[in-house]
Amino acid sequence: EAAVTQSPRNKVAVTGGKVTLSCNQTNNHNNMYWYRQDTGHGLRLIHYSYGAGSTEKGDIPDGYKASRPSQENFSLILELATPSQTSVYFCASGDARNSDYTFGSGTRLLVI
Amino acid sequence: GDQVEQSPSALSLHEGTGSALRCNFTTTMRAVQWFRKNSRGSLINLFYLASGTKENGRLKSAFDSKERYSTLHIRDAQLEDSGTYFCAAYNYAQGLTFGLGTRVSVFP
Repeated sequence: EAAVTQSPRNKVAVTGGKVTLSCNQTNNHNNMYWYRQDTGHGLRLIHYSYGAGSTEKGDIPDGYKASRPSQENFSLILELATPSQTSVYFCASGDARNSDYTFGSGTRLLVI
Repeated sequence: GDQVEQSPSALSLHEGTGSALRCNFTTTMRAVQWFRKNSRGSLINLFYLASGTKENGRLKSAFDSKERYSTLHIRDAQLEDSGTYFCAAYNYAQGLTFGLGTRVSVFP
């Protein structure tokens, strides 16, 4: 069954540390997205990708990097984590032709 | 996801008409959000409800936690309402779970 799998499900990190959030999709979608979900803000787009080797800045890219080494995998990297990056992060894959989206189940990140 | 059943998967509307999108939940949810995806992939937050109804322009949403459903009504549809709409529901155990989306097409 086609799916978007995020790991880890939960993460506690220390301020200044490096955090990598991973996302794997089996939908064979070209596009992948990273969002963060905060109370009062809904979902905000951090980075997205059109395919392997591509990364694009979303609406709130500061403090984040992204990596798309393959069609299936899209990582979100926090080089120097800060408490303001405490949030729930969602990955999604999408087919650019028909706007179908599939979301992962989320990663809860706490930066202390 | 399995806990959030969104329908219909696609909806075609003439300009000026209206319809409703619905999400049914298989478990008790604490809150629901409705989003519309723009052409860039950003998700625009339309409504957040912990109960009751909210209205914004030609959109109205309702959430009934006890009956386990939420609706999004579009009235007097305009061409710019076309897009993919998602509901997402929240509970303490599972966090936020998304529906699969509804592709809305409004035509003249």
